[in-house]
Amino acid sequence: SQKIEQNSEALNIQEGKTATLTCNYTNYSPAYLQWYRQDPGRGPVFLLLIRENEKEKRKERLKVTFDTTLKQSLFHITASQPADSATYLCALDWGAGNMLTFGGGTRLMVKP
Amino acid sequence: NAGVMQNPRHLVRRRGQEARLRCSPMKGHSHVYWYRQLPEEGLKFMVYLQKENIIDESGMPKERFSAEFPKEGPSILRIQQVVRGDSAAYFCASSPPTGTSGRKTQYFGPGTRLLVL
Repeated sequence: SQKIEQNSEALNIQEGKTATLTCNYTNYSPAYLQWYRQDPGRGPVFLLLIRENEKEKRKERLKVTFDTTLKQSLFHITASQPADSATYLCALDWGAGNMLTFGGGTRLMVKP
Repeated sequence: NAGVMQNPRHLVRRRGQEARLRCSPMKGHSHVYWYRQLPEEGLKFMVYLQKENIIDESGMPKERFSAEFPKEGPSILRIQQVVRGDSAAYFCASSPPTGTSGRKTQYFGPGTRLLVL
């Protein structure tokens, strides 16, 4: 069965540094890969979507890469701020039915 | 444009009771998804609906759980005879109809936190 792995341990970084989060998956590559942010007690908020034929996608301080050979996506936040502290979820979307398969999320803590 | 609405935000039920969770999608969205998030676990897909149709219920437990999205009104996730293991956060998401831009993006509601005593 398809597995999605995100680092379950919290990532602690200093303000201003670049945070890099990893999402690895097994078996088949999805048509799309999405990243969401989730704050405690709230629903996930969509951040970025990258297609299987795209290597990289950027949005302001965010950058996502998608390597279908390695079966991996990296999510970068540059010039991190304490307000970036949250749990970040990656989600695989095979395009059929639009069902999303989520990883367990990685908690990011940015210290001032 | 209001976001996805879910109510109630918190729901307490005793074992054996029924729980009804409601979801109003964003305006113009005709696709609704339900996910469950157990404590310390990731979001798990339950069911995908369009108006008056269940498209994919592969993630839904076979017993006690049902979902509907009527022509008028919100989508309802119904859990009959709740057990303690049903305690979780239930999230609803919506997306625009097929063919419009942004179809692949799902917009999530704030969730309903169900506690079964």
